[in-house]
Amino acid sequence: GAVVSQHPSRVICKSGTSVKIECRSLDFQATTMFWYRQFPKKSLMLMATSNEGSKATYEQGVEKDKFLINHASLTLSTLTVTSAHPEDSSFYICSASSGLAGNTIYFGEGSWLTVV
Amino acid sequence: AQTVTQSQPEMSVQEAETVTLSCTYDTSESDYYLFWYKQPPSRQMILVIRQEAYKQQNATENRFSVNFQKAAKSFSLKISDSQLGDAAMYFCAYRSAEIQGAQKLVFGQGTRLTINP
Repeated sequence: GAVVSQHPSRVICKSGTSVKIECRSLDFQATTMFWYRQFPKKSLMLMATSNEGSKATYEQGVEKDKFLINHASLTLSTLTVTSAHPEDSSFYICSASSGLAGNTIYFGEGSWLTVV
Repeated sequence: AQTVTQSQPEMSVQEAETVTLSCTYDTSESDYYLFWYKQPPSRQMILVIRQEAYKQQNATENRFSVNFQKAAKSFSLKISDSQLGDAAMYFCAYRSAEIQGAQKLVFGQGTRLTINP
């Protein structure tokens, strides 16, 4: 079946630095990718929707200058957390779709970010 | 905007018994998909079952079945013969199927299911 790979699975970075998380669709062309953040014991909160070759659409309240999303190819989207702070520590999950409404959305394994 | 509500933060069931998880949603769209996802401790999101709104027949996948009531905007998940491996967080989700609709999944708050041996 379709696979979405997310890397790294765990990352620790120092406060003030930037960290990049990659989301790759391994066997299909992902025209649309989604980035979620999940707090402990909470649901998935959509941060932004990225379409290949165009600017990401951010949800209300999400700082686009802090959470940079790039979707430069049909198989790769990246989330860069800039000038990370401890409150950015969280679980981040990506998902990918081939773009048709009927197609299943596939999820990556998620990435734990800890900012110290 | 569409919303999804799961009113049961936690549920528990004895192994081999049946449990039903509730989900209601609100939408003005007529064409959409509904999903149940399972998130075990590994945090990997696993698709359990999917229902197309235009289909009257309830979806089933082995021990998992749904009770889809479109007029009531209700979409409950029934797990039969519960197994220890079913213990997880379960999320109900909505996705538009309309051409101009948003492609994103809208999630409910989740229900933590515990299986008692």
